[in-house]
Order: sequence, then structure tokens, then C-alpha cells
Amino acid sequence: EAGVAQSPRYKIIEKRQSVAFWCNPISGHATLYWYQQILGQGPKLLIQFQNNGVVDDSQLPKDRFSAERLKGVDSTLKIQPAKLEDSAVYLCASSRLLGNTEAFFGQGTRLTVV
Amino acid sequence: DAKTTQPPSMDCAEGRAANLPCNHSTISGNEYVYWYRQIHSQGPQYIIHGLKNNETNEMASLIITEDRKSSTLILPHATLRDTAVYYCIVRVAGNDYKLSFGAGTTVTVRA
Repeated sequence: EAGVAQSPRYKIIEKRQSVAFWCNPISGHATLYWYQQILGQGPKLLIQFQNNGVVDDSQLPKDRFSAERLKGVDSTLKIQPAKLEDSAVYLCASSRLLGNTEAFFGQGTRLTVV
Repeated sequence: DAKTTQPPSMDCAEGRAANLPCNHSTISGNEYVYWYRQIHSQGPQYIIHGLKNNETNEMASLIITEDRKSSTLILPHATLRDTAVYYCIVRVAGNDYKLSFGAGTTVTVRA
């Protein structure tokens, strides 16, 4: 089966600019996650969707970050305006709705804010 | 979710078994132990998970102590491609599949 697709793979922007990342989860996976991974650290959950509803966005900096999953399939994560500390890899993951199953991760988007 | 403690790094020789320890002394009865790994420039990859009993799959074996306060991931025949950061995570089973990653163990397999 096809894996989790993310684009772009790399992005360099100046601070205060905006940026958007796209994720297409594995077909049939109702749950979608966005993680932020700063260099040298483990991934940190930003937001979790179940179908097109938000389950958990407690760690999303809502003053600058937003995410949507309008039709319950693909998702976009936006940062506006970006700060230097937003430089990180943004990982998307998906999993099936029910049961104690594994999450599948995309390769991530590496964002550099200069 | 319970916290885990892992050594920051370890080396192992190619072809030998790699034993990765994880301490989770505050684990609750309904929390599973998960292992993921992250090869450089890739997203994390699921390896194995377990509750009480030892588990084995094509990638690795998971040994959980009887009191469930620690576990060991065993890579039976390490190869250079197993060089990665390995994360031990404990989480409650259910629909809310929230993974809380720590810093993990950086495993370097040497020829």
C-alpha cells in the first residue's frame, strides 16, 4: 500500500513569511497527526484529527499555526508568520480509527526559517 | 502516559544482537510498550509493541519484565541499516493514538 505522502520535502523561508505543508495519509486511515521535530529531539505532537474533526490541538501554537482536514482525507498545516524557532521537520502520520494499531509516518518537510 | 528512560546512545557490532533497554517504572496496567525507530532523514517507523507477554516479529523481539517496569528490544542480527534513533514509548490503548516521544537511544551499528 502507498505510504503517507508529504510535500514539499524542503522549504526555506524568511522570518515573518507564511508557509504551508501538505499531507496525504494512507487510504482508509481516519486518524491524522502532525508532529514537529526540532533537531536533536523526538517528535512532538501538534494536532490530531479524526476524520475531519480535531481531537487534540493542545500543543499547537494557535496564534501562528493552523491546520485543516476539510474532507477527512488530506491535510494542510500552515504557519503565519514564521519565527526562527519554527525551524524543524514537520511530520505527518496516520493510523486506522479503531484498535491498538501502529501509526505510519511520512518522510516529513524540513523547514528552515532564516 | 508514563515516562520512559533510555540510554542516550549505544554501539553494537554488525551481525551481533543489539539489546536496547528501556525503563518505565511508572507504567500503568492498561499501558502498552511501543518501540519505534527513526533512520536519518526519515519519519519514525513502527517496530513492535506489547502489553505483558514477550513479542516477536520479523524485525525484533520485545522482552517485558514480569513487573512491567522495564523492557528490552532485541535486534537479533544487527545490520548497518539498523543504525537509527530508537524510541521506547508507553501509551494507553484506544482510539486516541497519541505517541509521546522522548529523546530515544541513538544506536550505531559498526562493521
